[in-house]
Amino acid sequence: GESVGLHLPTLSVQEGDNSIINCAYSNSASDYFIWYKQESGKGPQFIIDIRSNMDKRQGQRVTVLLNKTVKHLSLQIAATQPGDSAVYFCALGTDKLIFGTGTRLQVFP
Amino acid sequence: EPEVTQTPSHQVTQMGQEVILRCVPISNHLYFYWYRQILGQKVEFLVSFYNNEISEKSEIFDDQFSVERPDGSNFTLKIRSTKLEDSAMYFCASSGTVPNEKLFFGSGTQLSVL
Repeated sequence: GESVGLHLPTLSVQEGDNSIINCAYSNSASDYFIWYKQESGKGPQFIIDIRSNMDKRQGQRVTVLLNKTVKHLSLQIAATQPGDSAVYFCALGTDKLIFGTGTRLQVFP
Repeated sequence: EPEVTQTPSHQVTQMGQEVILRCVPISNHLYFYWYRQILGQKVEFLVSFYNNEISEKSEIFDDQFSVERPDGSNFTLKIRSTKLEDSAMYFCASSGTVPNEKLFFGSGTQLSVL
């Protein structure tokens, strides 16, 4: 079956630095990938998505990179701010969304 | 900005009781979902719903669970006889015209079964 996992349970960065959150997956058939942000007490919030026919997609301050060869997905956050502090999940889209285990991003001044 | 709304935000119930969790998806969305998250764990898929039918369901979604879209705006999850292990945060989500893409989630209902 599919599996999705994140490399680090916690990532601490200094305000203003760039953050990179990584995710590995096992299902070669996955063609849709998505990143969510979850703040304490809230539901997952859509950040950015990417299809398997792309290897990079940019949004506002965020970039998603997809390496299908090694089945690796990453989320880059530029100039990390305190408001970026949250748990970040990657998810695979097949006949349902399969969420990874999450990385808690902590931003310190 | 349109959003998915869920009520109640917290629900406490006794084991064996029935609960109904309510959701109002985004108005022009066609696909509806329930997910749950046990404290400290990842978000797990329960069920997806389209055109008044269940599209997919997980192993978690057994005979004790049911979903309904009773009118044009609400989407409900019913647990007939709650168990202790049903305690979790339940999230409703909806997506537009493509299933399982760009799901928008509500803020969740925290269900506590005592």
